[in-house]
Amino acid sequence: SQTIHQWPATLVQPVGSPLSLECTVEGTSNPNLYWYRQAAGRGLQLLFYSVGIGQISSEVPQNLSASRPQDRQFILSSKKLLLSDSGFYLCAWTGGTIGAFFGQGTRLTVV
Amino acid sequence: KQEVTQIPAALSVPEGENLVLNCSFTDSAIYNLQWFRQDPGKGLTSLLLIQSSQREQTSGRLNASLDKSSGRSTLYIAASQPGDSATYLCAVIGSGGSNYKLTFGKGTLLTVNP
Repeated sequence: SQTIHQWPATLVQPVGSPLSLECTVEGTSNPNLYWYRQAAGRGLQLLFYSVGIGQISSEVPQNLSASRPQDRQFILSSKKLLLSDSGFYLCAWTGGTIGAFFGQGTRLTVV
Repeated sequence: KQEVTQIPAALSVPEGENLVLNCSFTDSAIYNLQWFRQDPGKGLTSLLLIQSSQREQTSGRLNASLDKSSGRSTLYIAASQPGDSATYLCAVIGSGGSNYKLTFGKGTLLTVNP
């Protein structure tokens, strides 16, 4: 069966520090991968999505970037975090007719 | 650009009541539509998935319908329970020009009072 792993679960980082969040999927090949951010009390904002290795689509201009170095690996990064980067980050994958599945999320607090 | 709207934004009902949550989308070129549940501080749990060729799906006390031509879906919850309290999110996966983009509504916050 397919599983999605996202880590870490929580993260506290100082302003100006780098960020790397990793998401991996098991049990499927060539998934479509997504990064979302959910600010406190707000909806899900699509940040990036990828339909293949090295193919990244960015939805909103921001302080973040994404990479897909392997088929089932999706990484969210920042060189210098801002206070406004705080939020709940969710990784998801979709595959054909079985719909979308989400990781457990990373709660990032920038201090 | 696909836009997904959910109405109402919040709903409070007494236990045992049947209720309907609404979702609408602007671009009917969708691959499928999915309803999720999110508990506070948690990730998303998939409830029901409706393929674009289907009209409805059922799971226990939940029934979701899809009218692709009018860009609407409803989630019906029968005999609501306090444990149903959560935020319910509707999402569509685009086809055609917006291939594979997974777009969410802002959700409906449901509170079921004992």
